[in-house]
Amino acid sequence: EAGVTQFPSHSVIEKGQTVTLRCDPISGHDNLYWYRRVMGKEIKFLLHFVKESKQDESGMPNNRFLAERTGGTYSTLKVQPAELEDSGVYFCASSQGIWANEKLFFGSGTQLSVL
Amino acid sequence: RKEVEQDPGPFNVPEGATVAFNCTYSNSASQSFFWYRQDCRKEPKLLMSVYSSGNEDGRFTAQLNRASQYISLLIRDSKLSDSATYLCVVNYGSGNTGKLIFGQGTTLQVKP
Repeated sequence: EAGVTQFPSHSVIEKGQTVTLRCDPISGHDNLYWYRRVMGKEIKFLLHFVKESKQDESGMPNNRFLAERTGGTYSTLKVQPAELEDSGVYFCASSQGIWANEKLFFGSGTQLSVL
Repeated sequence: RKEVEQDPGPFNVPEGATVAFNCTYSNSASQSFFWYRQDCRKEPKLLMSVYSSGNEDGRFTAQLNRASQYISLLIRDSKLSDSATYLCVVNYGSGNTGKLIFGQGTTLQVKP
């Protein structure tokens, strides 16, 4: 069974440009999460989808970030315009259920570098 | 103050050694607790959940002390393959159950 896949694995862009990250969760997982790790800091929650609905977007840094999950399948995270501080590793995760001890499966991440 | 605090290390130990990592969390409402492992440039992977009664999985033992808001991970008979970053993770558990709060991680290097 395929795991959580993310594309691209690396992206290097200039400040002011737009970048779109994609995440394909494990098939059948209704819950999809975005997390981010900036250099030297801990991994931080960005937002949570249940199917196509945003359950919690309290971690989104600002309105330059837009996440979508059309049809409740794959998700995209767009950064427009990108700033230097957006550099980091963006992880996507999915889970089947909603229990507090539910296991999250993480993708291998997208390394974003904004120059 | 960080919500989950860990000693970043690195911990450098010889093969066969026993090593312990500790973690404290600030939110007493936290309901679920985990240790994740992250290899260099890889994604975090669940190592084990942590329960108040303590739990063991092979060479790994995890303990939770709710009164002190403290979590520990003990690794016995360290292997070279145990070298990684160990992430202490809590979940507040109400509403958004996937909103994990990560510590910064503790780096372990096991030497031959």
